Amino acid sequence: QVQLQESGPGLVKPSETLSLTCTVSGGPITNDYWSWVRQPPGKGLELIAYIHHNGNNKYNPSLKSRVTISLDASKNQFSLKVNSVTAADTAVYYCARRGWSAEFDSWGQGTLVTVSS
Amino acid sequence: QSALTQPASVSGSPGQSITISCTGTSSDIGTYDYVSWYQQHPGKAPKLIIYDVGNRPSGVSDRFSASKSGNTASLTISGLQAEDEADYHCSSYTRSGTYVTFGGGTKVTVL
Repeated sequence: QVQLQESGPGLVKPSETLSLTCTVSGGPITNDYWSWVRQPPGKGLELIAYIHHNGNNKYNPSLKSRVTISLDASKNQFSLKVNSVTAADTAVYYCARRGWSAEFDSWGQGTLVTVSS
Repeated sequence: QSALTQPASVSGSPGQSITISCTGTSSDIGTYDYVSWYQQHPGKAPKLIIYDVGNRPSGVSDRFSASKSGNTASLTISGLQAEDEADYHCSSYTRSGTYVTFGGGTKVTVL
């Protein structure tokens, strides 16, 4: 069973860049789609972006201008960068594997990122 | 604002059955049979409990069942147990954006 683990700073200052990495174990990252999903406190889930090793990726239109997703197959990791963050970007960020039926069948434990000075 | 609409809360007594609705449009639930449901306990990551409208992953209790009709999907929990108290989120494939849209989540309370 594949396992995912997020890592990165828990506190980011406004206007700076949020950077997170997801390490995948138990299987190669060269298969499947790999995603970032976030959940603001007390709110629902929001898909940020996903990527495939073949270069196919997709961004949430509401975040596209500020977000970059990338994948490093040699390290079995994928990453997320969100530029020019504001308090509205405060959320628990999850990495997840997206299946072919648009389901997310494996999730990391999540990491809380707070945007505050 | 979420693209799929779920009730904010649903409650039931132990042993009862409850149903959570998830309403979308013809751009998502109404056209595609790619509806998923997730269970999320406080402070934990979501867990996939239903995919492809009504299929359960291995290891998920058969007390969870789901279906869809028109633009609305439904999750039913039978024989409600204390451990079922959690948030439940629906999602669907959609023809635009990131091709996946979520509901706002429903808090299930076991009385």
